[in-house]
Amino acid sequence: ETGVTQTPRHLVMGMTNKKSLKCEQHLGHNAMYWYKQSAKKPLELMFVYSLEERVENNSVPSRFSPECPNSSHLFLHLHTLQPEDSALYLCASSQERTSIYEQYFGPGTRLTVT
Amino acid sequence: AQSVTQLDSQVPVFEEAPVELRCNYSSSVSVYLFWYVQYPNQGLQLLLKYLSGSTLVKGINGFEAEFNKSQTSFHLRKPSVHISDTAEYFCAVIHNDYKLSFGAGTTVTVRA
Repeated sequence: ETGVTQTPRHLVMGMTNKKSLKCEQHLGHNAMYWYKQSAKKPLELMFVYSLEERVENNSVPSRFSPECPNSSHLFLHLHTLQPEDSALYLCASSQERTSIYEQYFGPGTRLTVT
Repeated sequence: AQSVTQLDSQVPVFEEAPVELRCNYSSSVSVYLFWYVQYPNQGLQLLLKYLSGSTLVKGINGFEAEFNKSQTSFHLRKPSVHISDTAEYFCAVIHNDYKLSFGAGTTVTVRA
């Protein structure tokens, strides 16, 4: 595996379910990101981890809970979601979280909340 | 906060024709500028970036962009498109924090 991988690629869940999204990067990076991509809206940065420490939380509801056990793995735990949370969730990584370093994106998880 | 405006949400274009995707950003100080492409069912891939130096930046797949500080623009161009260029294109900017701010995207549909 190379680059940034995400599993599952598609997820349908009810509002009372608990599920987790997984991201893994094979690039030796030390910063990882979660983005939400909704139709016809700019990508929204949700969380940033640098050296396994959360450094950014953009007013994301508590029903989204990130976890970064090591520099290669990032999880997004989901519980009691709402239909408006349906979106494509993208994970990215970069060498550093400072400005000029390119972010490499995974293919995303398409989440549908019913 | 930074904002990025992509002036066209949809751009239909015929194969082998040129295409220009417009991007304006709000800033009066130094920025770093990026164009990303998202092919169907894939994540975002970096096309090109402007950090400093020459205002004309060349990227992958024959794309180029020109940084215009006075007009706060970073328009993306390709002189001759292929069917495989059908995708969504995102302009993004980083200011003095490390966060990428994205535009809403431009969908390019290339027709034979």
